[in-house]
Amino acid sequence: TQLLEQSPQFLSIQEGENLTVYCNSSSVFSSLQWYRQEPGEGPVLLVTVVTGGEVKKLKRLTFQFGDARKDSSLHITAAQPGDTGLYLCAGASMNRDDKIIFGKGTRLHILP
Amino acid sequence: DVKVTQSSRYLVKRTGEKVFLECVQDMDHENMFWYRQDPGLGLRLIYFSYDVKMKEKGDIPEGYSVSREKKERFSLILESASTNQTSMYLCASSILSGGPNQPQHFGDGTRLSIL
Repeated sequence: TQLLEQSPQFLSIQEGENLTVYCNSSSVFSSLQWYRQEPGEGPVLLVTVVTGGEVKKLKRLTFQFGDARKDSSLHITAAQPGDTGLYLCAGASMNRDDKIIFGKGTRLHILP
Repeated sequence: DVKVTQSSRYLVKRTGEKVFLECVQDMDHENMFWYRQDPGLGLRLIYFSYDVKMKEKGDIPEGYSVSREKKERFSLILESASTNQTSMYLCASSILSGGPNQPQHFGDGTRLSIL
């Protein structure tokens, strides 16, 4: 069974600080997706990384896919209160008939 | 803009009732999914459909059924609601091309309480 472990589970930091959250697995994925879920809403896709070693930037958010396609990280520079939410990673199996699997998420709270 | 709409944001029902949760998407997506989300357990897949009248069990289908009579609509049915089905329910859709592992578009969820 494929598993995605996200760490930390919870993170509370001051506005303006930098942070990194992680998504790890022992399995290889064809791609990894990152979602953000704000309170009272459904998850929204932020980015998909496909190539080992790939780096994608979305304003202050930097996403990296591990070289071996087993892990990913999300780095936020100068965190803002609007970054508060639950960050979910989801892995797409090498078998295209399999459904994506979700990690349990990192709950991020940015203090003003 | 793409849209997945769940019929209710909040719902309160009693034990033993039959409960219907409705989901409609306007993106002409073939794949539709129902998840429940609980603290500490993450998103768990209940059922999945890749076409009209087609369905597949997810990881936790017990106590639930689904209906997909039209491409845009996917309904989740709690046959006889129990208190352990109190949860946030999320509907999602994705395109068929590339399989069911494509990025998903989610609705805003239905927070269901069973008393």
